[in-house]
Amino acid sequence: DMKVTQMPRYLIKRMGENVLLECGQDMSHETMYWYRQDPGLGLQLIYISYDVDSNSEGDIPKGYRVSRKKREHFSLILDSAKTNQTSVYFCASSSRDRDYEQYFGPGTRLTVL
Amino acid sequence: KTQVEQSPQSLVVRQGENCVLQCNYSVTPDNHLRWFKQDTGKGLVSLTVLVDQKDKTSNGRYSATLDKDAKHSTLHITATLLDDTATYICVVADRGSALGRLHFGAGTQLIVIP
Repeated sequence: DMKVTQMPRYLIKRMGENVLLECGQDMSHETMYWYRQDPGLGLQLIYISYDVDSNSEGDIPKGYRVSRKKREHFSLILDSAKTNQTSVYFCASSSRDRDYEQYFGPGTRLTVL
Repeated sequence: KTQVEQSPQSLVVRQGENCVLQCNYSVTPDNHLRWFKQDTGKGLVSLTVLVDQKDKTSNGRYSATLDKDAKHSTLHITATLLDDTATYICVVADRGSALGRLHFGAGTQLIVIP
């Protein structure tokens, strides 16, 4: 069963705290993504990872960093979270030869107070 | 600048009615276009993908068209059900950019009422 999982599903943090969002996939996909979704906007790409330790900035990387030490896991880190990082974060994965077919996780709703 | 525009922003229909969702885009060069369904609080689930210059697909009560010359796509939902209540998102793949780059519309929120 092809699946992308995200943990936690809901998170409340105070401004200045560190945040770790985790994503896992069981399809051995090389490529993984982090997006954020805000009301009235389409999903915006934060980071792409092409494989272990091969990460590239997306369209809105500022304030975020990522870590990919295993092919099946991709983490999004917010060092010193800001209130404008309150959003729903989605992880996705795809195989290298079918990059247009992305599978999405259920999302993490992050609130920064 | 938004490269994928969807209309209407929201739509209310009665169960059993048909509806049409629109997607216009300016992504160049464009590759394929995909429609996703997003239930409230959930992830995106792919409904259909359109690839050819002028393409049509059908997936049960969902059917879609793509005209790459006009950079326009439609998603038709026939005989709507209450479970069709969701946000429908149009996504265009960018053939000219780096691997895996997609452009997302903001979505059309469909509400189906009894």
